[in-house]
Amino acid sequence: TQLLEQSPQFLSIQEGENLTVYCNSSSVFSSLQWYRQEPGEGPVLLVTVVTGGEVKKLKRLTFQFGDARKDSSLHITAAQPGDTGLYLCAGAVETSYDKVIFGPGTSLSVIP
Amino acid sequence: DSGVTQTPKHLITATGQRVTLRCSPRSGDLSVYWYQQSLDQGLQFLIQYYNGEERAKGNILERFSAQQFPDLHSELNLSSLELGDSALYFCASSVGSSYNEQFFGPGTRLTVL
Repeated sequence: TQLLEQSPQFLSIQEGENLTVYCNSSSVFSSLQWYRQEPGEGPVLLVTVVTGGEVKKLKRLTFQFGDARKDSSLHITAAQPGDTGLYLCAGAVETSYDKVIFGPGTSLSVIP
Repeated sequence: DSGVTQTPKHLITATGQRVTLRCSPRSGDLSVYWYQQSLDQGLQFLIQYYNGEERAKGNILERFSAQQFPDLHSELNLSSLELGDSALYFCASSVGSSYNEQFFGPGTRLTVL
């Protein structure tokens, strides 16, 4: 069974703090996506990483794909209340075309 | 706006009933995915269609079925509904490229009373 694990499950921080959330698996992924979901809405794609060791930046968000393409991290600098939401990672399994698995998510709350 | 549309937005029905949820993918996308999200289960993959054919199956119950039509829109049919089927149902689409980026619709909130 292919699984994606995310940690921490819940995170509550003050505005202005930095944070990192993690996404781990024993499977190798051909690509990995990060999504953010707000309550009652569909997940919104933030980024896709493809190459092992790749780092992508999106304003205050930094995404890294592990060298072995089995894990990823999302770092947020100077968090703002607008960053509040559920962060989901999703991996495209290398050996199965179009098969994507989602992690359980990290629920982030940024307190003003 | 992701370009994926879902109808209806809300659906309230009774146990034992049957409902149909509809999804139109982004223009040009060939893959449609269906997900169920409840508070205690997270986002659960149900089924995927690619260009009209079933591509992958996840945790989809036998009471549930789906199809993708020639115009690429998709329907998810839920029958013999139970209280536990109450959830948000999302449709997502992708072009089917190797990147597998999915674009999600706004969801249908199903309440079974």
